[in-house]
Amino acid sequence: QSVLTQPPSVSAAPGQKVTISCSGSSSNIGNNYVSWYQQLPGTAPKLLIYENYKRPSGIPDRFSGSKSSTSATLGITGLQTGDEADYYCGTWDTRLSAGVFGGGTRLTVL
Amino acid sequence: EVQLVQSGPEVKKPGESLRISCKGSGYRFTNYWIGWVRQMPGKGLEWMGIIYPDDSDTRYSPSFQGQVTISADKSSSTAFLQWSSLKASDTAIYYCATLTGFNPQRYNWFDSWGQGTLVTVSS
Repeated sequence: QSVLTQPPSVSAAPGQKVTISCSGSSSNIGNNYVSWYQQLPGTAPKLLIYENYKRPSGIPDRFSGSKSSTSATLGITGLQTGDEADYYCGTWDTRLSAGVFGGGTRLTVL
Repeated sequence: EVQLVQSGPEVKKPGESLRISCKGSGYRFTNYWIGWVRQMPGKGLEWMGIIYPDDSDTRYSPSFQGQVTISADKSSSTAFLQWSSLKASDTAIYYCATLTGFNPQRYNWFDSWGQGTLVTVSS
């Protein structure tokens, strides 16, 4: 059971928009920055979003992040088949004194 | 450019010991936290622990405390993940990754990742 809760799967058609939620508590999301990672099949994870909404160099602006209270959301617009991947949220948990990840969400682009 | 190159796949028997490695280049190794993430077959990412190579300050997730040892060698810019007695449940891909920033709570994201090391434990 992950500390952060994500939906197991989401799907949408090419060109559409999708959002992925990440729910936590005051000991993690509520008081720490949230990051998001994309893991394409058979590859290492890649950082998509950090500090709740910032994008590393090279990440297109189709990807966005937001945070409200103890929840965070990843948004992806203009969906492409190449976006099919597993997406994970992450943050620090002050009570555990360690980092934590969500259980992951598999995105299917129909 | 930050590069993390991990050691190759391992096949071990239950009860054996193992140390896998992660060599950093393209940045000042001693000044970035470096951590380990487990991914069991078909499962999600699990945060194991991090080390600050400059002073070997190490933080473990409670789930992994006492189960593994994280260490680093400044002279070779290499981080290690070690088991003293492997179990079948240790079968997984293990990724190393860097945290950019002195405070791991504040700067808690992994921004560069290694390619992963597959560890298989089977009798």
